[in-house]
Amino acid sequence: DQQVKQNSPSLSVQEGRISILNCDYTNSMFDYFLWYKKYPAEGPTFLISISSIKDKNEDGRFTVFLNKSAKHLSLHIVPSQPGDSAVYFCAASVSLSGNNRKLIWGLGTSLAVNP
Amino acid sequence: NAGVTQTPKFRILKIGQSMTLQCTQDMNHNYMYWYRQDPGMGLKLIYYSVGAGITDKGEVPNGYNVSRSTTEDFPLRLELAAPSQTSVYFCASSSTTGTPQHFGDGTRLSIL
Repeated sequence: DQQVKQNSPSLSVQEGRISILNCDYTNSMFDYFLWYKKYPAEGPTFLISISSIKDKNEDGRFTVFLNKSAKHLSLHIVPSQPGDSAVYFCAASVSLSGNNRKLIWGLGTSLAVNP
Repeated sequence: NAGVTQTPKFRILKIGQSMTLQCTQDMNHNYMYWYRQDPGMGLKLIYYSVGAGITDKGEVPNGYNVSRSTTEDFPLRLELAAPSQTSVYFCASSSTTGTPQHFGDGTRLSIL
């Protein structure tokens, strides 16, 4: 049962245009969401995050939007650059007992930005 | 600025062999994690540690063991390698469970 779903395995965008990567989740207890970027032969790199008390977080060309009622978040990259070509993972975090939290990962979306 | 360092980067094992995947971090993070990523799949947590001397199972711990004798090191041991353990293994660390994790570049392991 995939609690964090990235329904598009791949996405192709022209350089300079907007890239929109989507993520859906099923557990209403998730309260913190993260996006990671992964290049081939490297580990994932943290990109941007959002707390459930917010609906938008922006960092340069990257903006994450959260719609709690729809259990949906999206990552917008504007403008897209060829160097953005990578696999993007959505991850959701939920609090466990004590100070521990659990992180659940989506399967990733492979973004190709074409020159 | 090394961050999280994993060795080796690649390894081929025969069925039944054992090996240890090494992971070291220089950020003084308390929390460390081992994940595996199978082709076309997301990351699955194998084991994690909340500090030196404390480890706990993740989603897929069977066939693996870990230890955490120091803050810096978190080795992952495969005792009897099986073909199902062919995967890419990532080690990660974070200062708390609520902060983003920093990943190593992975160990690609093939069991034949």
